[in-house]
Amino acid sequence: NAGVMQNPRHLVRRRGQEARLRCSPMKGHSHVYWYRQLPEEGLKFMVYLQKENIIDESGMPKERFSAEFPKEGPSILRIQQVVRGDSAAYFCASSPTSGGAGDTQYFGPGTRLTVL
Amino acid sequence: KQEVTQIPAALSVPEGENLVLNCSFTDSAIYNLQWFRQDPGKGLTSLLLIQSSQREQTSGRLNASLDKSSGRSTLYIAASQPGDSATYLCAVDHNDMRFGAGTRLTVKP
Repeated sequence: NAGVMQNPRHLVRRRGQEARLRCSPMKGHSHVYWYRQLPEEGLKFMVYLQKENIIDESGMPKERFSAEFPKEGPSILRIQQVVRGDSAAYFCASSPTSGGAGDTQYFGPGTRLTVL
Repeated sequence: KQEVTQIPAALSVPEGENLVLNCSFTDSAIYNLQWFRQDPGKGLTSLLLIQSSQREQTSGRLNASLDKSSGRSTLYIAASQPGDSATYLCAVDHNDMRFGAGTRLTVKP
C-alpha cells in the first residue's frame, strides 16, 4: 500500500505565475489535510477536505489560494499569482475517516515551492 | 533512512500531574524538530518548533528539549489538564518531514 504521494517534490515559479500542488492520499483514505511550513516556522494547518467537500478552510489565506478534492483524482492545492512569501514547504496528509480516536494522519513527503 | 519513535504509545494520568513524552530519531542531521497536537476531526496544531541549533523551547505549560547528538527530544507538560487529552506527535525535518506514531494522552479529571 503506497503512502501519501505528493508531486512535484520541488517546484520553482516566478512571481505572478500559478502553482499547482498535487496530493494522492493513501488507498482507502477519503480525508485530506493541507499544511504549510514557512521557513523558520512550525507547520500550520490550511484546509481539511473530504471528497468533493471542504470541511474546514480556516487556515487558508483569503485570496489566491484554493483547494479541491474531486471525486476522482488527487487533491489539488492551487496558488494563483504567487509571491515570494508563498515560498514554503506544503505538506498534505490523509486519514481514513475524520481523524477521530484511533485514526492517524499519514503525511506525504511535501512539495517545496520556491518563488523567484 | 530517518526513523522516528515515540514512547509511550499511550499514557493516562490524573489531572494535575506533570508528564514527559519521549521522541527519538535515528539521523541527527535535522533542520528542526516539532511537537504537534492532534485532536479528533482537526488538523495538526504545531506546539513547539526547535531549530537544530537550539536545545529547548517553552510555551506556557509546555517545554520541549532537543539533544541532537543523542537523537532525542522530550515534551514536558506541567500541571496536566483534561483539555490536554490528545495525540502528541513529534516530527523531524531534513528535506523530508518524518513523523513519529504519536503518544495518545488521556488526562482524567
